[in-house]
Amino acid sequence: DAKTTQPPSMDCAEGRAANLPCNHSTISGNEYVYWYRQIHSQGPQYIIHGLKNNETNEMASLIITEDRKSSTLILPHATLRDTAVYYCIVRTFNDYKLSFGAGTTVTVRA
Amino acid sequence: EPEVTQTPSHQVTQMGQEVILRCVPISNHLYFYWYRQILGQKVEFLVSFYNNEISEKSEIFDDQFSVERPDGSNFTLKIRSTKLEDSAMYFCASLTGSYGYTFGSGTRLTVV
Repeated sequence: DAKTTQPPSMDCAEGRAANLPCNHSTISGNEYVYWYRQIHSQGPQYIIHGLKNNETNEMASLIITEDRKSSTLILPHATLRDTAVYYCIVRTFNDYKLSFGAGTTVTVRA
Repeated sequence: EPEVTQTPSHQVTQMGQEVILRCVPISNHLYFYWYRQILGQKVEFLVSFYNNEISEKSEIFDDQFSVERPDGSNFTLKIRSTKLEDSAMYFCASLTGSYGYTFGSGTRLTVV
């Protein structure tokens, strides 16, 4: 069972920031938040992960609330190529299996 | 950037036939996985493989399925007697023990 809740879809204007929310209210202390995306039936692609601190890499930023019950993935300047299904996944660092939910379908519009 | 390579990209097979899906994981990775995605549905875990043995498998992975790492590079998924409901995208993935999986681009299996 997925331990996260995400909105089913959202639109974003090209060039604007896309903020993707995720609720994980039952997260436990040793569980990380991971984000993956899947572009049109390709294999899922790793984006970023975090435990409790905010994280940033070349693809995105991850903001985790202080109580760790929710997080937001930020795509700073969305492009048309960012149109994809985005998955927020909670897992422990030693449980390598990924449990995918339905994700958020993000459509970036010109 | 290192890639996970899957072949074939598309396989059509008759019901009841055996199929072998092939994957070449990233060379220094230690953990190997198969996932599948039926059209329009979620990505589902099938099996994980570490140290030349299955470390975990899902309920989907029944005795019709098997995995092998016959040499140092290939990782295969075999379905012994395919059913219509096995039609799906099958994704191979590998992991080095750090953070993120690398998935292959998938094999679309169509059972007719």
